[in-house]
Amino acid sequence: GQSLEQPSEVTAVEGAIVQINCTYQTSGFYGLSWYQQHDGGAPTFLSYNALDGLEETGRFSSFLSRSDSYGYLLLQELQMKDSASYFCALYTGGFKTIFGAGTRLFVKA
Amino acid sequence: DVKVTQSSRYLVKRTGEKVFLECVQDMDHENMFWYRQDPGLGLRLIYFSYDVKMKEKGDIPEGYSVSREKKERFSLILESASTNQTSMYLCASTGQVRETQYFGPGTRLLVL
Repeated sequence: GQSLEQPSEVTAVEGAIVQINCTYQTSGFYGLSWYQQHDGGAPTFLSYNALDGLEETGRFSSFLSRSDSYGYLLLQELQMKDSASYFCALYTGGFKTIFGAGTRLFVKA
Repeated sequence: DVKVTQSSRYLVKRTGEKVFLECVQDMDHENMFWYRQDPGLGLRLIYFSYDVKMKEKGDIPEGYSVSREKKERFSLILESASTNQTSMYLCASTGQVRETQYFGPGTRLLVL
């Protein structure tokens, strides 16, 4: 089957850097996405990696290694507003996206 | 600004009631999805639609049905609500770029 694993919670300090890991098992996929969801809010798209390597968008970067079945989201210069849940998701083609269970990030002052 | 809206943020229903959840998108997207979100389980796909009047089962369709009479509107129907359908329901849409999903704010449903 297909599955994704990510830590349930991560805590970091304001101004620091935090990495949220995502490992996956799948027979095939097109790319790995990341979504952010604040409490009571809609998940919003952050990034998509179709190829191995690092994609940077402002303070956020995302990485994919197909050979290691692994990806991560890197958040730099953490701000209090970054406290949210972060989901990795595999786009497996057609209309199918498989979501991880999410990582709750707590940013402390 | 892209927009997906859902008819209710919170709903409380009784066991056995028929429940309608409605989703509207203003992006002229072909594809629309209904997910449920439960703690520790992530998002699970209930149904999706790739065109008006077209629908496909997702991973957990039992107990649910859907309707898509207009391109912008996708409804989720619980024919006879049960307590195990208490959950957060999220609607999403995609256009040509299918790997990017746009989500609505969600409907938190409590079935008593």
